[in-house]
Amino acid sequence: GAGVSQSPSNKVTEKGKDVELRCDPISGHTALYWYRQSLGQGLEFLIYFQGNSAPDKSGLPSDRFSAERTGGSVSTLTIQRTQQEDSAVYLCASSFGFQRGTDTQYFGPGTRLTVL
Amino acid sequence: GNSVTQMEGPVTLSEEAFLTINCTYTATGYPSLFWYVQYPGEGLQLLLKATKADDKGSNKGFEATYRKETTSFHLEKGSVQVSDSAVYFCAHNTGTASKLTFGTGTRLQVTL
Repeated sequence: GAGVSQSPSNKVTEKGKDVELRCDPISGHTALYWYRQSLGQGLEFLIYFQGNSAPDKSGLPSDRFSAERTGGSVSTLTIQRTQQEDSAVYLCASSFGFQRGTDTQYFGPGTRLTVL
Repeated sequence: GNSVTQMEGPVTLSEEAFLTINCTYTATGYPSLFWYVQYPGEGLQLLLKATKADDKGSNKGFEATYRKETTSFHLEKGSVQVSDSAVYFCAHNTGTASKLTFGTGTRLQVTL
């Protein structure tokens, strides 16, 4: 497909379990971002990848959150020992990454995570 | 620090009314400014953007002008339609990562 895809679209898990969320960026986009959208906090930046490196992880809320990107393409966001406050929609975005000041980020449909 | 402030919603308008959604920002350097829209049940879509002072972004009848002197990027449309009902987010990019800082979003409801 031409757009950013994310899977699963919905995930329900029990408190304490680990979850993995996947993002497939637009082909050719070197930059990849993860954001979180929740009722209480709005849209928050989590982490940024340029290629396979993550030069900005400043938005990750705790060490239970981690992410990796392989082959300069697919990225996985992992949340360990999930808590109820992790319930949110997790959004992935990608951009060309070569013109940082004017780059446009294109968003995927998101993964809705519910922690019971 | 970096922030974006949007007017509180919801905004309820009749079809063909004039729309303004205010947005002001605080940022270091010279950010690009964006309006994203989220239609019911859908993901975030870029509506328009402006990359330097006095630039005007436009799309689908919506416009916004990058005003550096007032640090504002207000969204306007001359005649809204029911299909414009959505949540609108103002944002700017910051830092070498160009990560986006978003406003809280403004819900627009257009009625017949």
